[in-house]
Amino acid sequence: GAVVSQHPSRVICKSGTSVKIECRSLDFQATTMFWYRQFPKQSLMLMATSNEGSKATYEQGVEKDKFLINHASLTLSTLTVTSAHPEDSSFYICSAEGQIDEQYFGPGTRLTVT
Amino acid sequence: GQQVMQIPQYQHVQEGEDFTTYCNSSTTLSNIQWYKQRPGGHPVFLIQLVKSGEVKKQKRLTFQFGEAKKNSSLHITATQTTDVGTYFCAGPKAAGNKLTFGGGTRVLVKP
Repeated sequence: GAVVSQHPSRVICKSGTSVKIECRSLDFQATTMFWYRQFPKQSLMLMATSNEGSKATYEQGVEKDKFLINHASLTLSTLTVTSAHPEDSSFYICSAEGQIDEQYFGPGTRLTVT
Repeated sequence: GQQVMQIPQYQHVQEGEDFTTYCNSSTTLSNIQWYKQRPGGHPVFLIQLVKSGEVKKQKRLTFQFGEAKKNSSLHITATQTTDVGTYFCAGPKAAGNKLTFGGGTRVLVKP
């Protein structure tokens, strides 16, 4: 099956610093990847769609200058949370699109901003 | 905008019993997908339904897509403790390949 990895799995950072999260499709090429945010016991909230070789498409209300997305290759997308604040603490999950538009999710990154 | 609703939000089930969770979209869907997220884990793709009225089975799980392609259901028979988790349905937005996820049904199994 399709495998997607995410790194780091857990990160604690100080307020004002930036954090980069990597999402890799390990056994397939993913032209499109997605970044979600999930609060405890809630559903997935789509933040942005990451397309290889082009600019990401952000959902309404998501600050593109705060959540920088780069999709430089068919197997790697990165999300950088810039100048993180405590309210950015959350579970961030990426997914890669499969052949029938299904999505394969990474294990997620739990970000805690102190 | 498109909305996808799931009921119930929580499902407490006695081990061995059956239950059904429902998914309703405000718009007609080209397909419906189901995902399972175990506690502390990430969503895992279960299945996709495309045709009106389609029914698919995966062992004890039966998935159905409504005739109008606006609703879907997941029925689990003889629930086991391994069925614990949150089941999400998701439908594609009108344009493009983005998915709108339902709120999920959190399943708890009593042994």
